[in-house]
Amino acid sequence: QVQLQESGPGLVKPSGTLSLTCTVSGGSVRDYYWSWIRQPPGQGLEWIGHIYGSGSPSYNPSLKSRVTISGDTSKKQVSLEMTSVTAADAAVYFCARHLRFYESGWSYAFDLWGQGTMVAVS
Amino acid sequence: DFQMTQSPSSLSASVGERVTITCRASQSVTRFLNWYQHRPGEAPKLLISGASTLQTGVPSRFSGSGSGTEFTLTISGLQREDFAVYYCQQTHASPPTFGQGTKVEVK
Repeated sequence: QVQLQESGPGLVKPSGTLSLTCTVSGGSVRDYYWSWIRQPPGQGLEWIGHIYGSGSPSYNPSLKSRVTISGDTSKKQVSLEMTSVTAADAAVYFCARHLRFYESGWSYAFDLWGQGTMVAVS
Repeated sequence: DFQMTQSPSSLSASVGERVTITCRASQSVTRFLNWYQHRPGEAPKLLISGASTLQTGVPSRFSGSGSGTEFTLTISGLQREDFAVYYCQQTHASPPTFGQGTKVEVK
C-alpha cells in the first residue's frame, strides 16, 4: 500500500526558506507525477507545482519565482523549497500523486495524498 | 486562472438525507472536474474523476454529474462518515484550481 508522508520544520522565519520532503513508502517516485498543494488556515487549496519522477517541474505562475520542486527516485522523495517566505505562506502543505486517465482527452486527478504538514512563519 | 465556485459554502444535514453540492467554473472545463473529500486530520480523498467516474472503493451513494461550467456532487443517503469538507477541482487548464470547499455538518 503506497503512502505519502510530508516532513520538515514546522516553523520558518520571515524571509527564510521553507524546505519540505515527501517520502513515498510502498511505491516508486519514478513513472508518476507528484504535486505539492497548500492550504492556509481557513482558506482553500492552492496548487504549488508538480514534477514527473526526477524530471522537469512545472509551477503555479503565482509562486514560480520562489519555488523549486525536485525528485530523488533513489530516496523515493519529492522535495519542495520556497524562498523569501512571509506570513502568507503559513499553511498546511500536502504532497499528492497524480492519477492519469483518459476522459475525452488525457486528464489527471490527485489519487493519493499525504496527511499534510503545518508550517508556521514567525 | 480558472475560478471554481462551490455552493453552498456549508450545509447542515441529517443522516439519511440527500445532499447536493454545486461547483461552477468561470470558463468551460469540459469534463475535467474532480471531487475530493477531506476529513479533519486526514489526507484528502479522491471521490470522483472526470466529472462522474467513481473511484474504486468509494460508496455508490456518491455520484457526480455535469459538464462545461456546472457540476454537481450528490450524496444519496448521508452517512455519519460523510461529514467532511468537499472540494471540486478543475484540471482543464494549468494551474489546476480548487473550489473553496463545502462543509457538510451534522444537523
